[in-house]
Amino acid sequence: QVQLQESGPGLVKPSETLSLTCTVSGGSISSDSWSWIRQPAGKGLEWIGRFTTSGNTNYNPSLKSRVTMSVDTSKNQFSLKLSSVTAADTAMYYCARDRNVYDLGFDIWGQGTLVTVSS
Amino acid sequence: IQMTQSPSSLSASVGDRVTITCRASQSITTYLNWYQQKPGKAPKLLIYAASSLQSGVPSRFSGSGSGTDFTLTISSLQPEDFATYFCQQSYSAPRATFGQGTRLEVK
Repeated sequence: QVQLQESGPGLVKPSETLSLTCTVSGGSISSDSWSWIRQPAGKGLEWIGRFTTSGNTNYNPSLKSRVTMSVDTSKNQFSLKLSSVTAADTAMYYCARDRNVYDLGFDIWGQGTLVTVSS
Repeated sequence: IQMTQSPSSLSASVGDRVTITCRASQSITTYLNWYQQKPGKAPKLLIYAASSLQSGVPSRFSGSGSGTDFTLTISSLQPEDFATYFCQQSYSAPRATFGQGTRLEVK
């Protein structure tokens, strides 16, 4: 079955760029759409953005100016870059398979990776 | 689209019937999903399209509603059901928004 695994630095300095990768195993990344979602400690979930391997990207308007998503189909991986980070970007970051356009929700999630923004 | 859950927290006992409510700021027809999250774990999809049970989810979980008002019901609470529950609208997909969560605790 499809599994997701996030990876990347757990500590990022303020004003720098957060970079995370999600590796898809057990299936092809080209078969679906994929999203990044984050959750500050003790708080709710915030959708960051979605991309499809056909090249479409959609970002949360509140983060759009700082977010870039990309894909490496040869490695079955997709990535998130968030620039100019502040302490407010400290959160658990999840990647998820996004089937919302089919009304099927985020049906598969990675285990999450904690990113702390601090000097 | 804003999603508002109530209550924010709820205390219940094993065997209880529990209902959690989610309200959308505008009609989302049945584009509503429910997730369960346990401490230190990723959310898990329980219900999609307001009332469809995700594969592998116990039948004690059910969802209902349409338009702006939705409910998640657990018919008989089990020890493993104590967790936080989130609703999520997909009416504006690909943009998604979540409710603030309902924490279900042991009474």
